[in-house]
Amino acid sequence: AQSVTQPDIHITVSEGASLELRCNYSYGATPYLFWYVQSPGQGLQLLLKYFSGDTLVQGIKGFEAEFKRSQSSFNLRKPSVHWSDAAEYFCAVGVGQGAQKLVFGQGTRLTINP
Amino acid sequence: ETGVTQTPRHLVMGMTNKKSLKCEQHLGHNAMYWYKQSAKKPLELMFVYNFKEQTENNSVPSRFSPECPNSSHLFLHLHTLQPEDSALYLCASSPDSAGTSGGADTQYFGPGTRLTVL
Repeated sequence: AQSVTQPDIHITVSEGASLELRCNYSYGATPYLFWYVQSPGQGLQLLLKYFSGDTLVQGIKGFEAEFKRSQSSFNLRKPSVHWSDAAEYFCAVGVGQGAQKLVFGQGTRLTINP
Repeated sequence: ETGVTQTPRHLVMGMTNKKSLKCEQHLGHNAMYWYKQSAKKPLELMFVYNFKEQTENNSVPSRFSPECPNSSHLFLHLHTLQPEDSALYLCASSPDSAGTSGGADTQYFGPGTRLTVL
């Protein structure tokens, strides 16, 4: 069965430091992969997505992610975090027709130290 | 209003009450979704509607009853809920089921309804 694992439940980094959030997926077919961010009291906002082609994907707010098929990973990165990046981050794999069924990871809560 | 809106934002109900959650999308999309976000559990897909027809029911208990009168509106009718049903219920929409954006749609989420069942 398809699944998504985000090994880090909570990460704390200093403002200006680099960030990498890990995501591993399990899916038998070509994966459609997504990263969403959720700020307190808000819904989910799409950061970026991977369907095919270039394995390094650029997203909004300076985020990027790299798809590595051999490692079944889709890690999210940002070179320099800002205080406003504090939020919860969710990795998801889309399955089924049109990848409509999103299977989410547990989420990683990001705290930024000033 | 733009995007996906949900009302109410907060709801407290007893186990014998009947209430409804409402979702409206202003994006011209044809697919709509209900998700449940519980503490300490991953987001769970509940229902999918394409062109007003239900195409996915992810083994959701019958005390949750969805309704999609048109492509812009989605309801979740609630009755005889249990305390463990307390959660954030998120609605989402996407352009269509064919996946015009290269094979998969992007889903756009509303802010959610925080439900507490006493």
